[in-house]
Amino acid sequence: GQNIDQPTEMTATEGAIVQINCTYQTSGFNGLFWYQQHAGEAPTFLSYNVLDGLEEKGRFSSFLSRSKGYSYLLLKELQMKDSASYLCAVGLSGGYNKLIFGAGTRLAVHP
Amino acid sequence: ETGVTQSPTHLIKTRGQQVTLRCSSQSGHNTVSWYQQALGQGPQFIFQYYREEENGRGNFPPRFSGLQFPNYSSELNVNALELDDSALYLCASSPRGALGYEQYFGPGTRLTVT
Repeated sequence: GQNIDQPTEMTATEGAIVQINCTYQTSGFNGLFWYQQHAGEAPTFLSYNVLDGLEEKGRFSSFLSRSKGYSYLLLKELQMKDSASYLCAVGLSGGYNKLIFGAGTRLAVHP
Repeated sequence: ETGVTQSPTHLIKTRGQQVTLRCSSQSGHNTVSWYQQALGQGPQFIFQYYREEENGRGNFPPRFSGLQFPNYSSELNVNALELDDSALYLCASSPRGALGYEQYFGPGTRLTVT
């Protein structure tokens, strides 16, 4: 079966750093993805890791350890607009392009 | 460049009815995937269409069906609606063979079944 776990909710202060963890157990692996989703809106792509290590993109960084089935998304210099749900997803190969999503982590950024 | 569009935005149906949701893919994208997102959950993969044929399916019953047209737009049809079908339905388009991050999501259709 497919299983992706991430915390349900997190809170943080504006200007701080927050780390959102994700663990996964899936049959097949074609990359680990992070999406941001504001309430009532479509998910938007944040990052993609297929090899172990850290990928940095501005205020956002994402880390992957395939041997541990573990990833995290690091958000620096938090802003109020970062309040959203963050979805961890595993890409599965097999002739078509399918994403398996976790339930999402709802992040609330406070002043 | 036009992004992924979906219609309608909101829809209210009665249990047992049938519904059709529509999606126009982003220009140049020939693959369309449909996802169901219940409140407080992540999106669940329903199926994917490529070249007008179903190209992969998740754990959804046959009453969930779809179509893709020559212009790559797509429809999701749900028959015999159940209360649990209430959800946000997301359409995502991508170029053929693209990795997951190249899936561009539309704004979704919020379906309420009463």
